[in-house]
Amino acid sequence: ETGVTQSPTHLIKTRGQQVTLRCSSQSGHNTVSWYQQALGQGPQFIFQYYREEENGRGNFPPRFSGLQFPNYSSELNVNALELDDSALYLCASSLVGAPGEKLFFGSGTQLSVL
Amino acid sequence: AQRVTQPEKLLSVFKGAPVELKCNYSYSGSPELFWYVQYSRQRLQLLLRHISRESIKGFTADLNKGETSFHLKKPFAQEEDSAMYYCALSDPMNYGGSQGNLIFGKGTKLSVKP
Repeated sequence: ETGVTQSPTHLIKTRGQQVTLRCSSQSGHNTVSWYQQALGQGPQFIFQYYREEENGRGNFPPRFSGLQFPNYSSELNVNALELDDSALYLCASSLVGAPGEKLFFGSGTQLSVL
Repeated sequence: AQRVTQPEKLLSVFKGAPVELKCNYSYSGSPELFWYVQYSRQRLQLLLRHISRESIKGFTADLNKGETSFHLKKPFAQEEDSAMYYCALSDPMNYGGSQGNLIFGKGTKLSVKP
């Protein structure tokens, strides 16, 4: 059983650029959630994907978008990067409908916007 | 507004001393409450959830709806308990039963000294 993997681990971008972060779900999971964790803060919910459709969104602007693929892997895209987008981005997968559904987190992608 | 508050950024205790990590929440529905832990150089992982009413690694947490609290307790702290602890809530009714939309507190860093 493989865990949640994220790539890349670190990324440096310039303000105004676009970025794509990737996440491979844990085997057998059908839901992916993305979180943004700024320094010194707890993770903040961005959105969740279930069966390739967005299934809920936190308080993030439309320039944050995502995709979930048939193999349940996922991408987080951020357009028009701003300095405040610098953060650790966490991906978590789960199996909706399973008794005691449990989130499994990846190690994250550290994004720095200069 | 939906909110999870962890009033202490840092809690330092000696080995063998009791530990209580405080968590208060503000939510109008019927949330589920969780404690997540992140040990040094490891991923964020679930420690326990209120509906399970279980003890994990000697930790327990009781949901007090009257005080809207979900404090984490352990009678005798161990050095290996040193970690970052996050309290979180979710409302599965809003997301088709999924636990993926967690609202996290800012976390408390527990340091257990020998």
